[in-house]
Amino acid sequence: NAGVTQTPKFQVLKTGQSMTLQCAQDMNHNSMYWYRQDPGMGLRLIYYSASEGTTDKGEVPNGYNVSRLNKREFSLRLESAAPSQTSVYFCASSEEVGFIGYSPLHFGNGTRLTVT
Amino acid sequence: GIQVEQSPPDLILQEGANSTLRCNFSDSVNNLQWFHQNPWGQLINLFYIPSGTKQNGRLSATTVATERYSLLYISSSQTTDSGVYFCAVESWGGSYIPTFGRGTSLIVHP
Repeated sequence: NAGVTQTPKFQVLKTGQSMTLQCAQDMNHNSMYWYRQDPGMGLRLIYYSASEGTTDKGEVPNGYNVSRLNKREFSLRLESAAPSQTSVYFCASSEEVGFIGYSPLHFGNGTRLTVT
Repeated sequence: GIQVEQSPPDLILQEGANSTLRCNFSDSVNNLQWFHQNPWGQLINLFYIPSGTKQNGRLSATTVATERYSLLYISSSQTTDSGVYFCAVESWGGSYIPTFGRGTSLIVHP
C-alpha cells in the first residue's frame, strides 16, 4: 500500500501563477486534510473534507481552494500564488473526523512550494 | 479553538541521554497523537493516546486527560531520534479536527 501520495514533491512558482497540488489515499479513509508547515509554526489546517462531497475551511484558508474529487482524491489549488504561500504542504487522511476509536492521521511526504 | 503548547521548543542531547517532551492543551480532548518528523520531512505517527500510557521500544507516552497534558519519554536517545516532535489533539471545540502544537526540535549528538 502506498498510503497517502502527494504530487509534486517540489514546485517553484512566480507570483500570480496558479497550480494544483494533488493528493490520493488508498486506505479507504473518509476524511482528508491539507496542512501547511512554516518554520516555528507547527502544522496549520488549510481545508479539510470530512467525507466525500463535503469540504470546510480550516485555520488559514485564504488564497486556496479545494476539491474532493472522489473518496480517494483531495486537491488543493492556488489560484494566484503569493510569496506568503511559500511553505511545505502536507496532505493527510484518517478514518473519519470524530471517530470513536483508533483513527490515526496518515501523512503524505509533502510538497515544498516556493513562490518568487 | 483549542490551544496546544509544547515544551521545550528546542532540545539538544548527547547520545544515550533520556528526555521528556510535554504537550499541554486548553480543553478536553477525545484524541491525542504524537508524531515524529524526521530530517527528511516525513511525519510518522508514534502514538495514538487519548489517555493512559503506551510504550513502543525506547519511546513511551502518557496522557493525563483530566489535567490536560501528555508526555513523551525518549530513553537512551540515538542520533536517529533527531527531528521535530509534534502532538496533535482533537476536541469538540475544534470540530474534532487534529490541531497541532508548534513542536519540539530535538538534536541528538553522537
